[in-house]
Amino acid sequence: RKEVEQDPGPFNVPEGATVAFNCTYSNSASQSFFWYRQDCRKEPKLLMSVYSSGNEDGRFTAQLNRASQYISLLIRDSKLSDSATYLCVVNNRDDKIIFGKGTRLHILP
Amino acid sequence: ETGVTQSPTHLIKTRGQQVTLRCSSQSGHNTVSWYQQALGQGPQFIFQYYREEENGRGNFPPRFSGLQFPNYSSELNVNALELDDSALYLCATRDGTRNEQFFGPGTRLTVL
Repeated sequence: RKEVEQDPGPFNVPEGATVAFNCTYSNSASQSFFWYRQDCRKEPKLLMSVYSSGNEDGRFTAQLNRASQYISLLIRDSKLSDSATYLCVVNNRDDKIIFGKGTRLHILP
Repeated sequence: ETGVTQSPTHLIKTRGQQVTLRCSSQSGHNTVSWYQQALGQGPQFIFQYYREEENGRGNFPPRFSGLQFPNYSSELNVNALELDDSALYLCATRDGTRNEQFFGPGTRLTVL
């Protein structure tokens, strides 16, 4: 089993729709969790940290379920500019940082 | 802009050669991590340095080595380059008390 697994994608979604990304991790001792966004041929950029209580930033909501070792990202009212690859990131207790393969999102006009 | 810079932006080498990539840290960030990202894949963790010492390593062979300097800038060295080393190499820095990382623009390495 891979340490961090994401939906394979790509997701092709009409503008204005709601999109949900899922991510599972295998190490129950993992300590911190993030979602990054990566545009084509650019570096990853931090989108959100993910907290046990869940957190929201505008149209974006992140959730963590430690019992199921599962992280999610919800994008509401999607915009054309949301088109990118979304990367799930897990930090383990030994400071090893694991990225998922990423899920590509295409927002269609 | 994150304040993290990398050099060079692009590099072409031949198999068997050695390469050094550089990363300048964002001010106040004492921890740097290096990643290899092949086309269509997520970044793979190579190693991390905190205050000039390696304190975490991924599944990369010893020919991948690094340094961190007193000003927290960093180098990634790769010896005996192989064709599969062709990738985007990213560095990311953070304040050691926080886990959020900030990435540089990357160095695209092509090995022929």
